[in-house]
Amino acid sequence: AQTVTQSQPEMSVQEAETVTLSCTYDTSESDYYLFWYKQPPSRQMILVIRQEAYKQQNATENRFSVNFQKAAKSFSLKISDSQLGDAAMYFCAPLTGGTSYGKLTFGQGTILTVHP
Amino acid sequence: GAVVSQHPSRVICKSGTSVKIECRSLDFQATTMFWYRQFPKKSLMLMATSNEGSKATYEQGVEKDKFLINHASLTLSTLTVTSAHPEDSSFYICSALAPGYNEQFFGPGTRLTVL
Repeated sequence: AQTVTQSQPEMSVQEAETVTLSCTYDTSESDYYLFWYKQPPSRQMILVIRQEAYKQQNATENRFSVNFQKAAKSFSLKISDSQLGDAAMYFCAPLTGGTSYGKLTFGQGTILTVHP
Repeated sequence: GAVVSQHPSRVICKSGTSVKIECRSLDFQATTMFWYRQFPKKSLMLMATSNEGSKATYEQGVEKDKFLINHASLTLSTLTVTSAHPEDSSFYICSALAPGYNEQFFGPGTRLTVL
């Protein structure tokens, strides 16, 4: 079974500053994908960024970037130049294959507050 | 592309009644759909994996007779909460796996309140 740990239940950041959300996971598979999702008050799940485990290069998407350490099974999300609209609950989730192909396992979530 | 809809967005029902929630992939065919349950400020808990044309696979602890899942076509999966009780009140989210994307696309969710 996969396990995902987000050790920061809540984080806060000042507008325009940078914040990093941590995530560690455990999987026995060698080929998988990693995702960060954002869930605003509307509760719609929004994809923030994805990383293929076979790629060494860290994914970036505008102000969002990841620090992917495969050996350590760590996948942190850095949000630069934070905006008020970034306030949401963030979930880390590996997507694994094998007998449960396409299955996501979610971390506990981190509630991000952005202060003006 | 890769849009998933859910209907209804909100439903209130009386205890003992059954409620059906629909999940549709609007612009792609989804052989696999997933149903999650979420409590306020908590994570998404996978309830079951729905495969078109076959029986759903339920996660441990999820009552299959309570939460009936049907995946009758490549674009529609339904979750029926049978004999609903107040403890079934929750936010239910579906997602669909798009072939070739290695990614799940999420519906907007359904808020169920059982009185």
